[in-house]
Amino acid sequence: TQLLEQSPQFLSIQEGENLTVYCNSSSVFSSLQWYRQEPGEGPVLLVTVVTGGEVKKLKRLTFQFGDARKDSSLHITAAQPGDTGLYLCADGRVQNFVFGPGTRLSVLP
Amino acid sequence: DAGVIQSPRHEVTEMGQEVTLRCKPISGHDYLFWYRQTMMRGLELLIYFNNNVPIDDSGMPEDRFSAKMPNASFSTLKIQPSEPRDSAVYFCASVGGTGKETQYFGPGTRLLVL
Repeated sequence: TQLLEQSPQFLSIQEGENLTVYCNSSSVFSSLQWYRQEPGEGPVLLVTVVTGGEVKKLKRLTFQFGDARKDSSLHITAAQPGDTGLYLCADGRVQNFVFGPGTRLSVLP
Repeated sequence: DAGVIQSPRHEVTEMGQEVTLRCKPISGHDYLFWYRQTMMRGLELLIYFNNNVPIDDSGMPEDRFSAKMPNASFSTLKIQPSEPRDSAVYFCASVGGTGKETQYFGPGTRLLVL
C-alpha cells in the first residue's frame, strides 16, 4: 500500500513570505498531483506532474518532481492570504487515488 | 457545467438514525468516488465506481456503510445505523472524459452524529 507523507503539517506565515512544502511517497508515483482545498470546499487540482525532474510553474507556485519520482515540493513565492488552505499531494492513478495528509497553510495579512 | 453536486450540505442526526448522502457527478464522467475527511485521518477513499459498477469498496469502514449508483447521474452513500464516530465531511468526486487524472470534487456534506 502506497503511503504519502507531507511536511510540515501546519505552516503559518506573514503575507509576502516565501515557503516550501514537501510530499514523499513510499513508492514511485504513477503521476503526482497537488490539490488545494479551501475552507468549506472540496479539493481543487492545481497541477499534475509525470516525468522525474519535471518543474511546473503556476503564477507564484512552483512544483518540482523528484528525479526518482518519489517526492515533490511546492514552493510559493510572496504568499498572499488567498493562498490559505490545505495543500494535498496525491497519486493520480485512477484505479488507486491516494492522498497525503496535507499541509495546512495560513497566510496572515 | 454545474460541477459535482452533493446534498445535503449539512446533516445533523442522532446516533442510530439512518443517513443518506447524495451525489450527482459531472455529466459524461465515468468514475465516481466517495471520500471521508477528518482531521485525524485526512482524506480517505471509501469506494469508487466505474460505469456505475462498484470497483473497490475496501475503504468502506464496516457493514453499516453502503453505496449505490443506480445510473450514471446519481449515487448515494448510506449509513445505517449512524454512530458519533461517523461524524466527518463526506466528499463525492468524479473523473472522466479526456482528463482521466483529474478528480472534480463536490462541496462535501458535513455530517454530525450526536
